[in-house]
Amino acid sequence: DAGVTQSPTHLIKTRGQQVTLRCSPKSGHDTVSWYQQALGQGPQFIFQYYEEEERQRGNFPDRFSGHQFPNYSSELNVNALLLGDSALYLCASSTSGWGRVTEAFFGQGTRLTVV
Amino acid sequence: AQSVTQLDSQVPVFEEAPVELRCNYSSSVSVYLFWYVQYPNQGLQLLLKYLSGSTLVESINGFEAEFNKSQTSFHLRKPSVHISDTAEYFCAVFLGEKLTFGTGTRLTIIP
Repeated sequence: DAGVTQSPTHLIKTRGQQVTLRCSPKSGHDTVSWYQQALGQGPQFIFQYYEEEERQRGNFPDRFSGHQFPNYSSELNVNALLLGDSALYLCASSTSGWGRVTEAFFGQGTRLTVV
Repeated sequence: AQSVTQLDSQVPVFEEAPVELRCNYSSSVSVYLFWYVQYPNQGLQLLLKYLSGSTLVESINGFEAEFNKSQTSFHLRKPSVHISDTAEYFCAVFLGEKLTFGTGTRLTIIP
């Protein structure tokens, strides 16, 4: 089992550009969540996808959008990049809990640097 | 609303000494608590979790945490640390099918 895989591992973009990050969940998992971890901070919840729809969203602007594919993999898109978007972006996969607590497995993350 | 507070941003400890990393939470409902560890340049790994039952939970590498409802705490302890324990440790609350993390505690082991 490959676990949660994210690509790319590192990325450098210029202010104003757009970026797409990718995540493949652990085998058997149907739910993907994205987190942003700024330097020296804890991860912050961006949004969660289940059955190809955004199920819930954290306090992030509309510049952050996502998608989930039929095979449960997911993309995170960020438009009009700002310097403040520089962070480690973590993908977590889990099974849908619907009230039950489920364990989230994290990928290695994508380090995004905006210059 | 829920939040997690990790009181210490950095904790230096001598090798083979005991350590406690503090975590306090605030929540108006039943909580499910987690400790994650992040080694340099890596993602998060689950260390241990409290869902229900015994308030003392243990991990396979010697860490333990105790859920204290009256003090709203979930402190992480290890009786004897090793160089390989050097990492960032995050406490988190699970609610609404998402995790809310604290700001993390960097554990540095001094040889």
